[in-house]
Amino acid sequence: SQELEQSPQSLIVQEGKNLTINCTSSKTLYGLYWYKQKYGEGLIFLMMLQKGGEEKSHEKITAKLDEKKQQSSLHITASQPSHAGIYLCGADGSGNTPLVFGKGTRLSVIA
Amino acid sequence: ETGVTQTPRHLVMGMTNKKSLKCEQHLGHNAMYWYKQSAKKPLELMFVYNFKEQTENNSVPSRFSPECPNSSHLFLHLHTLQPEDSALYLCASSHPEISGHNEQFFGPGTRLTVL
Repeated sequence: SQELEQSPQSLIVQEGKNLTINCTSSKTLYGLYWYKQKYGEGLIFLMMLQKGGEEKSHEKITAKLDEKKQQSSLHITASQPSHAGIYLCGADGSGNTPLVFGKGTRLSVIA
Repeated sequence: ETGVTQTPRHLVMGMTNKKSLKCEQHLGHNAMYWYKQSAKKPLELMFVYNFKEQTENNSVPSRFSPECPNSSHLFLHLHTLQPEDSALYLCASSHPEISGHNEQFFGPGTRLTVL
């Protein structure tokens, strides 16, 4: 079965700094989804990547997919306290299978 | 607001109790999911329903019993739970036939504590 490994597990950054979170799959990626979760709440969809080399941005968050490395990275520019939370990556298996998720990266942004 | 609601938001129950979690989606999706989220573990898929039919049961103990009366509602009936079942239970929905991919919309979750 497919597994997703996220790194780092947790991250503390100073407000205004840039940061990167990685998600590596054990199998071929057919679709990669990034979600954000506030503690104890549901997941909020950020963006989805399908093709190798694809890059998407939403406000100050940019995600990129490296199909060959079976990896995606999420980059936050000039972090703000509102960026704090847990970032999870999810992946489509082959066919129409439900998403598999990584364990998440907990981000704290300090003033 | 994601269009997926869950009730209750918090639930405390004893091991001999019977309770139910409810999920409702107003998005016209045809697939609904139950996930369990425990501390320091990945989201665990429990059940999948497509067009009200259960298509996946991820080796979930029988003390968890799902019900999907229509494509907008999903229940998780709980009975004789164990303390290790304490977790955040998340409901999600999707409509891959329309969107072409499996983007899932999540509810806010029910925080369950089993005493």
